[in-house]
Amino acid sequence: DIQMTQSPSSLSASVGDRVTITCQASQDISNYLNWYQQKPGKAPKLLIYDASNLETGVPSRFSGSGSGTDFTFTISSLQPEDIATYYCQQYDNLAPITFGQGTRLEIK
Amino acid sequence: EVQLVESGGGLVQPGGSLRLSCAASGFTFSSYAMHWVRQAPGKGLEYVSAISSNGGSTYYANSVKGRFTISRDNSKNTLYLQMGSLRAEDMAVYYCARGVGSGPLPTTFDYWGQGTLVTVSS
Repeated sequence: DIQMTQSPSSLSASVGDRVTITCQASQDISNYLNWYQQKPGKAPKLLIYDASNLETGVPSRFSGSGSGTDFTFTISSLQPEDIATYYCQQYDNLAPITFGQGTRLEIK
Repeated sequence: EVQLVESGGGLVQPGGSLRLSCAASGFTFSSYAMHWVRQAPGKGLEYVSAISSNGGSTYYANSVKGRFTISRDNSKNTLYLQMGSLRAEDMAVYYCARGVGSGPLPTTFDYWGQGTLVTVSS
C-alpha cells in the first residue's frame, strides 16, 4: 500500500497566519491527491482535488500544490472557521486508497 | 441539493452482523460510483469499499474483504454495506460518499453523508 505521511500532526496558528501542511507519498502518485477538511462531529468536506484544483464553493484562501511524492496544502490567511482536522488522500488506480493521518489545526 | 443519509448503525456483539444503508437524493444515483469510508473513535479516515455506478465492479479493503459486502439498488437510490463477522476493530462511524473523477471506480469523494455509528461490544 502507498503510505501517506502528513505533517505536522497538529498545528496552532493565529488568525491571519499563513498555514502550510505537507503530505508525502511513499511512491510516485502523479497528481492523484485530494485534501479534505473535517470539523468536529461532521463529515469530511472536499477542498482540493487532483492536487491543486479548488472544489467549487471553497474559499480561495485554500490552495494545494505538488506532484509525484510531495504535496502541500496552504491556507493563505487563517480564519476562525478553519479550525478543523485536514486529511490528504491518494487515489492511485494501482493501489488501495489511503489517507494521511490528519493534521489538527487550532487557533493560537 | 445532494443528500446522502446513512442508517442502520447500532450496537452489535462481536461476530455479529449488521446492514448499513445510504439513501441518496438530489442527483442521478445510477450515474455515480459510491463508497464507504469509516472512522474509528478519535482516529483518522479508513477506506472500506466501493461499487461502480451499475454495480458491476466492487472493491474492498483487505481489512474487510470476505466479511463485508457492498451493493446498491439504483431503483431505490440506495447503497448498502452488509457487515458480518464483526470485530472490535470494526467499531467506527461509517460514511457513505459519492465518487467523482475518471476510471471505473472514481475515488474523489465530493459528497459525504453524516455517518452512522457501529459499536461492536459484548
